[in-house]
Amino acid sequence: DAGVTQTPRHEVAEKGQTIILKCEPVSGHNDLFWYRQTKIQGLELLSYFRSKSLMEDGGAFKDRFKAEMLNSSFSTLKIQPTEPKDSAVYLCASSLSGFAEQFFGPGTRLTVL
Amino acid sequence: AQKVTQTQTSISVMEKTTVTMDCVYETRDSSYFLFWYKQTASGEIVFLIRQDSYKKENATEGHYSLNFQKPKSSIGLIITATQIEDSAVYFCAMRERNNNNAPRFGAGTKLSVKP
Repeated sequence: DAGVTQTPRHEVAEKGQTIILKCEPVSGHNDLFWYRQTKIQGLELLSYFRSKSLMEDGGAFKDRFKAEMLNSSFSTLKIQPTEPKDSAVYLCASSLSGFAEQFFGPGTRLTVL
Repeated sequence: AQKVTQTQTSISVMEKTTVTMDCVYETRDSSYFLFWYKQTASGEIVFLIRQDSYKKENATEGHYSLNFQKPKSSIGLIITATQIEDSAVYFCAMRERNNNNAPRFGAGTKLSVKP
């Protein structure tokens, strides 16, 4: 079975650009999560979807971050406009249900100049 | 409110010894799920082991086991016979059963296993 896939693996953006990160969860999983990981802040939740419905939004990220589930097998995270402080690794994860463990993708490393 | 705390920033042990990593959590839910994950130097995060709050028996999985102390809201990860490949960052996470929120993660503990 394919795990969680994320594209691109690396992204370099100029300040003010719009970037879109993509994620495909494990087939059949109902829950999808977007996290941002930095050394200082650790793992921060950006968005959580259950069966395509938004269940939780990371409060600090509502301004310029927008995650969507276009269908049950594809999600995007849009950052608009990007700022240098957005430089981080963005992780997508999925789980079968609310009680199950999460499967993480390899992440997208974003650098904003 | 949900909260997960890992107070050990880093631990260094010799190969083939046993190590315990601490994790405490806060929850108002009577039913919840606890998870441990490992993040390797490459950045990959993998699930290791879980404990369901209603189970009294400590979970085990290979050379990983848990020390679940419910009255103390504590879930320690024990790695026996450590190997160099166990060097990684370990995250503890909690998910409440009666809550539609995402799991909460601790800050992580960096484990270094030395030969």
